Amino acid sequence: SQQGEEDPQALSIQEGENATMNCSYKTSINNLQWYRQNSGRGLVHLILIRSNEREKHSGRLRVTLDTSKKSSSLLITASRAADTASYFCALDTGRRALTFGSGTRLQVQP
Amino acid sequence: EPEVTQTPSHQVTQMGQEVILRCVPISNHLYFYWYRQILGQKVEFLVSFYNNEISEKSEIFDDQFSVERPDGSNFTLKIRSTKLEDSAMYFCASSGTSWEETQYFGPGTRLLVL
Repeated sequence: SQQGEEDPQALSIQEGENATMNCSYKTSINNLQWYRQNSGRGLVHLILIRSNEREKHSGRLRVTLDTSKKSSSLLITASRAADTASYFCALDTGRRALTFGSGTRLQVQP
Repeated sequence: EPEVTQTPSHQVTQMGQEVILRCVPISNHLYFYWYRQILGQKVEFLVSFYNNEISEKSEIFDDQFSVERPDGSNFTLKIRSTKLEDSAMYFCASSGTSWEETQYFGPGTRLLVL
């Protein structure tokens, strides 16, 4: 399968806690992109990490990539209620298309 | 900040009717895409487009679907004869100067086929 699989499927935390979501995949990739989707809304791009990169940061977001284990993680630090959304990893496998996983539903309780 | 726009935001149509979904990609982007998301399911790739040609298409993108860049700003997806199972959110996306760049998504068109 070329798609990424996120883990866990759902995550509920308290405001201020950190949230970690994982993405595993089985094929080789050019890059991996993380997106956020609020319920019924569009996809907001968070971070792109290339296959030769190991870690990237953007504000409260930290993404790691381990190509030997074919896995990536998204860490959201000091979570807020507004972070409540679904988070998807999307693989660029060189097919001129992104392949999305099923996502992690994050609920941040105020 | 530049963004991808899509119209309409919602479209209701009768089975068998033709629909055209419209997108305005980010102005200096060269690569364009359509994806769809059936309610409760994952986002699925439909087609990618560059230099006025389809570059890649999925199994979903059959003869009922077509794409066009009729002018320098619009990018359209046409479904010739809609089916009930075409009901979904359709997202347009664009990326800049290579296939391996960030894809920026529009807000989507929610299509309901009755």
